[in-house]
Amino acid sequence: SAVISQKPSRDICQRGTSLTIQCQVDSQVTMMFWYRQQPGQSLTLIATANQGSEATYESGFVIDKFPISRPNLTFSTLTVSNMSPEDSSIYLCSGLRGKSEAFFGQGTRLTVV
Amino acid sequence: DAKTTQPTSMDCAEGRAANLPCNHSTISGNEYVYWYRQIHSQGPQYIIHGLKNNETNEMASLIITEDRKSSTLILPHATLRDTAVYYCIVRFVSGNTPLVFGKGTRLSVIA
Repeated sequence: SAVISQKPSRDICQRGTSLTIQCQVDSQVTMMFWYRQQPGQSLTLIATANQGSEATYESGFVIDKFPISRPNLTFSTLTVSNMSPEDSSIYLCSGLRGKSEAFFGQGTRLTVV
Repeated sequence: DAKTTQPTSMDCAEGRAANLPCNHSTISGNEYVYWYRQIHSQGPQYIIHGLKNNETNEMASLIITEDRKSSTLILPHATLRDTAVYYCIVRFVSGNTPLVFGKGTRLSVIA
């Protein structure tokens, strides 16, 4: 399967600031997704990153808080805006190519202080 | 919402087979059963998937009941490195839908 590189791997941020997480896949993928994993919890889908158009957000997630870009078939970014301590989580990107299995980055561990 | 039910946790002795059950009673005819695992501080890792036949690969075996309402993931010889959270997920065969994760089973392999 393809390899996803996610940056940064971890960060500690001040409340009220924003962090942009980058996700680079080593080959073209059909779909890219962003997930959040709060401490001790399972993964929750934030949105589908659509190439060349606005992302599709799941219930409870909005573009103003989590703007997403996907300028091409191998790269996407997720921004966590105006952060609060409740945003402390692991954020993961995922790629999908056709009917093959989905694969994941190693995640970004975000702590907001 | 996740369409699967799994036990919260299980223990397994090192070297023994680990059998992880999953209920998916509302699965439709065009949905696959996927299994992923998440080792601590890592992203989820694909293990195996199947539609209605039993499947085996180098990591595990997947047994799906004839009515497809449940399945079992088998790790034939569990090692300490198999300690992880295991997620059973159903997904449409179209292939463009994201994975929807339930709570999973936390498997602890004990020496």
